[in-house]
Amino acid sequence: KNEVEQSPQNLTAQEGEFITINCSYSVGISALHWLQQHPGGGIVSLFMLSSGKKKHGRLIATINIQEKHSSLHITASHPRDSAVYICAVSQPGNQFYFGTGTSLTVIP
Amino acid sequence: ETGVTQTPRHLVMGMTNKKSLKCEQHLGHNAMYWYKQSAKKPLELMFVYNFKEQTENNSVPSRFSPECPNSSHLFLHLHTLQPEDSALYLCASNQKPGEKLFFGSGTQLSVL
Repeated sequence: KNEVEQSPQNLTAQEGEFITINCSYSVGISALHWLQQHPGGGIVSLFMLSSGKKKHGRLIATINIQEKHSSLHITASHPRDSAVYICAVSQPGNQFYFGTGTSLTVIP
Repeated sequence: ETGVTQTPRHLVMGMTNKKSLKCEQHLGHNAMYWYKQSAKKPLELMFVYNFKEQTENNSVPSRFSPECPNSSHLFLHLHTLQPEDSALYLCASNQKPGEKLFFGSGTQLSVL
């Protein structure tokens, strides 16, 4: 069993829909990271959070430390949001654990 | 553009070839990493360099050989690879352990 589990694995949405991707983890962490990977490979860090909630544009990330759970929300989704979203957790000493990713397709 | 540059973007090699992947960062980061990404699997950590010293080798076969000549450059030397080594190889860096990672665009490797 992977230390980081994401759901769903695949998600298709209509443009404008509100999207939620979930992440659960089973290890102690110092921070949780949401990453975005577009076709072509490059990975960009969207959020790094250790408590509460962060917002950047149409993206919102939340974390519940007690429940070991995080969500990534996308409001007013757009085709350019189509990508793979990866949840990762980091521990002191630089150990990172990654989820397998959620492949999001937003249809115009 | 994340500040981490990887070359080449694509590489096709035979099982008897020797090739090298290159990674360069000018972000002033002290730690650099090689990750392997295979379809439907989480990123797998291969090697970690912290202040140019290798601090982790995650049971990677010896046909993969890393080199870190300075804090800005990282290489992955490949020889006698197997078809199952075909994957996306990603370089990443961060300022210090546990902090936000900055990734390169990756090298898509195909071993024939």
